[in-house]
Amino acid sequence: AQSVTQLGSHVSVSEGALVLLRCNYSSSVPPYLFWYVQYPNQGLQLLLKYTTGATLVKGINGFEAEFKKSETSFHLTKPSAHMSDAAEYFCAVSTGTASKLTFGTGTRLQVTL
Amino acid sequence: GAVVSQHPSWVICKSGTSVKIECRSLDFQATTMFWYRQFPKQSLMLMATSNEGSKATYEQGVEKDKFLINHASLTLSTLTVTSAHPEDSSFYICSARSAANSNQPQHFGDGTRLSIL
Repeated sequence: AQSVTQLGSHVSVSEGALVLLRCNYSSSVPPYLFWYVQYPNQGLQLLLKYTTGATLVKGINGFEAEFKKSETSFHLTKPSAHMSDAAEYFCAVSTGTASKLTFGTGTRLQVTL
Repeated sequence: GAVVSQHPSWVICKSGTSVKIECRSLDFQATTMFWYRQFPKQSLMLMATSNEGSKATYEQGVEKDKFLINHASLTLSTLTVTSAHPEDSSFYICSARSAANSNQPQHFGDGTRLSIL
């Protein structure tokens, strides 16, 4: 069984500030971890993924995430927020990229001037 | 590359009608497609996994006769909401996985917002 917990359903940051979205997972096997972004009335776009290898993963739009096995975490960060980053972010886990995804409840990121 | 098209993007219909939603992989062949349902301000819930040429695998609690899934080709899967009622109103999203590279993650469509009056 696998699950994802996203701490904070709503995060607000100022433009230019650090973005930190938290994700903790539970998995009985080595996890594959994903971050997706969803804009209003749209589907999901993959930001980045961790499968194996390097634990620091860089994605699109300046986002990155670090897999920390000891903390069962995969937090998403971006050094400097932009207004266009405002969206819903979902963390997801699977037992392989070919397996079905289990999503967290999502975190809505608000970026203010 | 790896574009998934979902149609229609928005549909409003009367209670009791059936609604068909299409999910197409435009530039790759997809042996597996997934159908999700998303309630307002909530996460995606997997409804079913659709494999080309075989019956879909439904998640627990999803009515097979209510949500008919067909995956007749490597580029098209359809979800039909039969005899739709207001409680079926939701945002439905499909995703597809490439047949050529099963190690690639799912690619998502832009979703269909279904409103039943």
